[in-house]
Amino acid sequence: EIVMTQSPATLSVSPGERAILACTASQSVSSDLAWYQQRPGQAPRLLIYDASTRAAGIPARFSGSGSGTEFTLTISSLQSEDFAVYFCQQYNNWPLTFGGGTKVDIK
Amino acid sequence: EVQLLESGGGLVQPGGSLRLSCAASGFTFSRYPMSWVRQTPGKGLEWVSSITGSGGSTYYADSVKGRLIISRDNSKNTVFLQMNSLRVEDTAIYYCAKESGTYSYYHDYWGQGTLVTVSS
Repeated sequence: EIVMTQSPATLSVSPGERAILACTASQSVSSDLAWYQQRPGQAPRLLIYDASTRAAGIPARFSGSGSGTEFTLTISSLQSEDFAVYFCQQYNNWPLTFGGGTKVDIK
Repeated sequence: EVQLLESGGGLVQPGGSLRLSCAASGFTFSRYPMSWVRQTPGKGLEWVSSITGSGGSTYYADSVKGRLIISRDNSKNTVFLQMNSLRVEDTAIYYCAKESGTYSYYHDYWGQGTLVTVSS
């Protein structure tokens, strides 16, 4: 099983600042990496797939990068609606696995 | 507009059974694999099971293999999760998710989830 590790667990950021979230895979997943956002009380929402492609309707302030084992999600200028939990997921191998999540909260 | 609506959650005793359903609309259901993903309250996400568009292939997490069974009825645009021999640790919100395509199992649409509580 590929273990996905996200860091930090919590990231405190001021509105308008940039946030950089990390996701590390225990072995290479090529570019088969997705990012999701989950707001309180809601289902997860797809942000990024194939490591760097934004899903439909996702603002340009969200960007993804990386390949192999190291990935990042960057939110260029945090808006109030961006304070949420973010998960990465690999789909290169079965079983599909998620990272433990990074909570982005208001500083 | 893609919509996924789960139902069937509830309270069940350890060792009991439950059947979850997910009614889909807004896309050609039979063309897409579907999955179930669960989330323990306050915790992270865990993939549970997936099924191909035709229903011919299924995949399971080791933690549920032999106890949970995924199936689909393409004539009714519905995917199911039959849950048997339930354990306390199966307590979670269960989300139905649509996969993006045949070979890329990332979840482009999610339902709102249904809560399953296993407790005596």
